[in-house]
Order: sequence, then C-alpha cells, then structure tokens
Amino acid sequence: QSGLTQPSSVSGAQGQRVTISCTGSSSNIGAGYDVHWYQLLPGAAPKLLIYANSDRPSGVPDRFSGSKSGTSASLAISGLQAEDEADYYCQSFDSRLSGYVFGTGTKVTVL
Amino acid sequence: QVQLQESGPGLVKPSETLSLTCSVSGDSISSYYWSWIRQPPGKGLEWIGYIYYTGSTNYNPSLKSRVTISLDTSKKHVSLKLRSVTAADTAVYYCARVRMGGHDHWGQGTLVTVSS
Repeated sequence: QSGLTQPSSVSGAQGQRVTISCTGSSSNIGAGYDVHWYQLLPGAAPKLLIYANSDRPSGVPDRFSGSKSGTSASLAISGLQAEDEADYYCQSFDSRLSGYVFGTGTKVTVL
Repeated sequence: QVQLQESGPGLVKPSETLSLTCSVSGDSISSYYWSWIRQPPGKGLEWIGYIYYTGSTNYNPSLKSRVTISLDTSKKHVSLKLRSVTAADTAVYYCARVRMGGHDHWGQGTLVTVSS
C-alpha cells in the first residue's frame, strides 16, 4: 500500500489541543522520507504548515507542530481557534511509486 | 514572493485533452521541481506529476499513460496535458513548487469539468 491514512475528521473546542495522525508504510514514511502538512481552506491556495516533519515556514503560528515516528506522523494544533477549521493533508514520498503521496485528508471542526 | 497562477479551459469534452498552464512570477523557475496536483470534488489531493527545470519528469503511475508535463523557462510557464479525459478527471487542478520534498507555494487552483 502506497497511500497515507488519516482520520476523516477531528473536532475540539476553542482553546483545546487536537492531533491528526498520518499512517504510512515501509515504502514512504517508514523508509525515512519526510512528512509535510498542508491546510486547505475553501477558495484559498493550499498552505504549507509543516515541512520536513517538524519545521514551520515563517508566518505559521507555533500552535502548529509536527512529529514523526516509525511509519507514522502527527500534526498537533494547540490553542484551537475558529480560523483553524479547515481540511488538513499530510504528504510524503513513496519509493514504490517513485513519486509523492498525500494523506486521505482530515476535516477539523472547532466546536 | 513567488506566485503561481493556473489558467486554461474550465470545460473539456470527454475523450479530449485537458490543457493547463501555470504562470510563475516573483522567482526563477530554475533549480526547482514543479508539481501538478488535483482534487476531485469531495475527494482528497492526488499528485499528478512533476518536472524539474532541466526538463526531467516523473508521473503518477495511475496517470502516466495520459499525462505530459512540460515547461517554458523563458515564459516561466509549467504546462499540463491530460489526454482522453473522462468525468473522473473533473477536479480542481493546482500547480505547486517543490522545495525539500514539500510543496511550499501553490496556485489558487482552477476547476476543470469534463462534460459534453
């Protein structure tokens, strides 16, 4: 299997912390390839949130953090805010495909 | 600040060829990989393929037989052609710059509908 699996949805109250998992395999995350995370808002260009597993581009709030272990990775959003309600995708490289793979996507709802 | 803008027909007939152009501004097209990515309505992101500024390409095996990605460095354009389209190719198509394995800049995307 070459795809990356994410929960379809997560939710939390404003101010809470939520985490999104991204499960891969030995041909992608488990092979040591980096994981990157994106935020998709309706009508806007997708935004890179986390690159190289845990680094944040300039301008991304430190409420967003990433980690990777084994064949999985996680995105954490702390101090959840209303504007964080969006779709989130992980992405890595897969050696079987010799190309990029995206996660199945997670919708974050702020209660 | 690098900016990307996709353009092309919003409606393509079944069996015809989808052609899109990504215009790059604010930075050189050289020294980077450039990807095309799509998102069908209600579904997730799918990587279509990428091209390096030297012209070398790599495509998603599921689309490889129908896809061609090219670039014009003088015009700073990255182009996508997808042949023999069906309704399943209806999607928002994005171009994006690749840096360190991730996609750090994206266009707004353009919706292409395949319908007669």
